[in-house]
Amino acid sequence: GAVVSQHPSWVICKSGTSVKIECRSLDFQATTMFWYRQFPKQSLMLMATSNEGSKATYEQGVEKDKFLINHASLTLSTLTVTSAHPEDSSFYICSAREGSFGRLGAGAFFGQGTRLTVV
Amino acid sequence: QKEVEQNSGPLSVPEGAIASLNCTYSDRGSQSFFWYRQYSGKSPELIMSIYSNGDKEDGRFTAQLNKASQYVSLLIRDSQPSDSATYLCASGGYQKVTFGTGTKLQVIP
Repeated sequence: GAVVSQHPSWVICKSGTSVKIECRSLDFQATTMFWYRQFPKQSLMLMATSNEGSKATYEQGVEKDKFLINHASLTLSTLTVTSAHPEDSSFYICSAREGSFGRLGAGAFFGQGTRLTVV
Repeated sequence: QKEVEQNSGPLSVPEGAIASLNCTYSDRGSQSFFWYRQYSGKSPELIMSIYSNGDKEDGRFTAQLNKASQYVSLLIRDSQPSDSATYLCASGGYQKVTFGTGTKLQVIP
């Protein structure tokens, strides 16, 4: 399957600082990437849909000024958690689908995830 | 109503048995369907995709799709303890992929 690489795999930061997470599609172009958050023993929660060259679409309840998303190229999307607080500690996962608007039958492939701990 | 619904489980099956995981979806416009496996602390891994009515087999896994009933299932034959994980069902259109909350499977040795 297609490869999506996410970096870093884990990060610890101080409260009030910002953290940037990168998501790269290594062997395909992804017009659309998705950012999820997952708390322990809970299901994936879609935070936003990242569209190359345009503004991200945020899900209801997700603060767009706190979770900045940039999708500057067809292979890279970044999520920046600004002014992080302990309640932002979670597992953040990106995913991407092949092709423009997603080829039918093409599943979304996930990055390895980033475990963020805010102290 | 959730777009993709799954029983959260846990579903416990003995080693060697068939595990049957079920999923229903509400959007009739969904074009394709996926099953993901997620081990604790890891990100989901795509294991099956299906977009035509009927069965699709890949090794020990069989995905079944019934668009009229808006129903998707995953059968795991000869279940192994290493199959113990949470299985996520997802439906996809041209852009968005919608996930269910997952069913936890426990394979008892």
